[in-house]
Amino acid sequence: GAVVSQHPSRVICKSGTSVKIECRSLDFQATTMFWYRQFPKKSLMLMATSNEGSKATYEQGVEKDKFLINHASLTLSTLTVTSAHPEDSSFYICSARREDEQFFGPGTRLTVL
Amino acid sequence: AQKITQTQPGMFVQEKEAVTLDCTYDTSDPSYGLFWYKQPSSGEMIFLIYQGSYDQQNATEGRYSLNFQKARKSANLVISASQLGDSAMYFCAMEGGTYKYIFGTGTRLKVLA
Repeated sequence: GAVVSQHPSRVICKSGTSVKIECRSLDFQATTMFWYRQFPKKSLMLMATSNEGSKATYEQGVEKDKFLINHASLTLSTLTVTSAHPEDSSFYICSARREDEQFFGPGTRLTVL
Repeated sequence: AQKITQTQPGMFVQEKEAVTLDCTYDTSDPSYGLFWYKQPSSGEMIFLIYQGSYDQQNATEGRYSLNFQKARKSANLVISASQLGDSAMYFCAMEGGTYKYIFGTGTRLKVLA
């Protein structure tokens, strides 16, 4: 099956720093990728749709200046959490769309101290 | 608006027994897809089963089957012959033609030896 990777799998950072999370489709090209956020013991909430070559589409309530998304190539989307604060601590999961299927990455656990 | 509801925050099942995890949904789209994912403690999302809104037959994948009752807007997951490794969070999700997923709040399943 298709594989989607995320890097890093776990990151701890100080408050005020920016953190970049990469999402890669390893064996297929993905024109569309999605970023989800999961709070502890909660469901996944869609943050934004990442479109290759164009601006990301953010869901209501998600700060686009806070969560910068760049889909620079057909196999890579990045999520940058700018000026991270403890409330940004969460589990971030990306998914990549191949035709009518979606494949999830393994997730990135962000802890902001 | 689309909505997924999972009313069972936690379930217990004896090993080798069958268990049903409930999922109801709401959508005005005539075409949609319903999914079940398993999320172990490591966090990755593991695809289990898919049911399309126009599929006449209930989906089955090994020990997993989906009890799709369109008129009731329910898509319950049935796991037969439960195994200890089935202990995890289970999410029901819906995709309504835009490739965005909406997730339920999840059910934590614990299989007892």
